[in-house]
Amino acid sequence: AQKVTQAQTEISVVEKEDVTLDCVYETRDTTYYLFWYKQPPSGELVFLIRRNSFDEQNEISGRYSWNFQKSTSSFNFTITASQVVDSAVYFCALSASTGANSKLTFGKGITLSVRP
Amino acid sequence: KAGVTQTPRYLIKTRGQQVTLSCSPISGHRSVSWYQQTPGQGLQFLFEYFSETQRNKGNFPGRFSGRQFSNSRSEMNVSTLELGDSALYLCASRVIDREGPYNYGYTFGSGTRLTVV
Repeated sequence: AQKVTQAQTEISVVEKEDVTLDCVYETRDTTYYLFWYKQPPSGELVFLIRRNSFDEQNEISGRYSWNFQKSTSSFNFTITASQVVDSAVYFCALSASTGANSKLTFGKGITLSVRP
Repeated sequence: KAGVTQTPRYLIKTRGQQVTLSCSPISGHRSVSWYQQTPGQGLQFLFEYFSETQRNKGNFPGRFSGRQFSNSRSEMNVSTLELGDSALYLCASRVIDREGPYNYGYTFGSGTRLTVV
């Protein structure tokens, strides 16, 4: 069975601070994908990043960066110089490449509040 | 390019009634999945349809059903509504490779917020 754990439930920062959102996952699949989604109050899940299990290269995209460590089954997400518009619920998700586990398994989400 | 369109955005139903929600995927996306989001259970997978066939199903009772049409549009139906069915229902579409399923990532719609009273 797949499992995603987001131990942080709520984070509050002041604008321009950096913030890291933690994600730990469990899977028996050898090939899998990890995602981060953002859910603003409007409700839509907005895709942020996707990382596959066979590529541990960490990247930076604008103010977003992520740290994927297969050895610790972690996929952390960092927002640099946070802005008020970053306030939302952030979900980490996991899916296998094929079969029944190709559905998305989500963590419980982290509510991020960025104060001006 | 139009995104994933879900209708209606809001719905209020009475316990015992049935409801049908609609989802139009991104053009070219042949897979449509449905998820239920509640404060208590979070985001849970309902089912996925590809080429008009259900290819994956979550742990929900038979009251929850779905279908997909030849144009890839999908509907989900909930019969005999219960108060606990009040939730945000999200639809997601994705591309699936001809050789087999390959996760290009899911694109979600804005959801249908169902309230059962």
